[in-house]
Amino acid sequence: DADVTQTPRNRITKTGKRIMLECSQTKGHDRMYWYRQDPGLGLRLIYYSFDVKDINKGEISDGYSVSRQAQAKFSLSLESAIPNQTALYFCATSDFGTSGRFQETQYFGPGTRLLVL
Amino acid sequence: AQTVTQSQPEMSVQEAETVTLSCTYDTSESDYYLFWYKQPPSRQMILVIRQEAYKQQNATENRFSVNFQKAAKSFSLKISDSQLGDAAMYFCAMRYGGATNKLIFGTGTLLAVQP
Repeated sequence: DADVTQTPRNRITKTGKRIMLECSQTKGHDRMYWYRQDPGLGLRLIYYSFDVKDINKGEISDGYSVSRQAQAKFSLSLESAIPNQTALYFCATSDFGTSGRFQETQYFGPGTRLLVL
Repeated sequence: AQTVTQSQPEMSVQEAETVTLSCTYDTSESDYYLFWYKQPPSRQMILVIRQEAYKQQNATENRFSVNFQKAAKSFSLKISDSQLGDAAMYFCAMRYGGATNKLIFGTGTLLAVQP
């Protein structure tokens, strides 16, 4: 079974609709992230969370919100979808390195392809 | 500001040959990490290799190795004995921000492997 899962894998929605993308992980990691991938732009950070009570904005958080329901679950919501939010969305997880230095590596889910019409 | 630049949008290599993908970066931080991720057509982001900035020795993972030039802020990926399964988009990424563990990505290099 995959360590980081995302649902749905593909979604088509209409402008103005509310949509939620979900991420679950079995890696036992504390830290979770949401990224957006656009052609020619690489991945950009939307939100990140270090534990259930911690939520932080990334570089492109406008138009998005998140919820950390449990250590293993981190959801991304588009309150009112617009066409320029059409993109590939990735969830990632990491944990704090055990060596005392910051040796975290982020592990990615399979991605959700979202099309907003 | 932190930046990661991949100047090769596309590369091609013959099967069994060696190819090098380029990446340059800029950061004012002293504690950072560099990564190469592979994204095949399945869209999955797969970690290929990582390099800690404080380590002088270049990282190696089987057929994949890096040439880390800290003074030049260069971090290239060498793939030896290229295989058809290596065909993918490759992203260079840098971890910065200390405890916040933020990743910034380059724009990617699409690698084609010719049989």
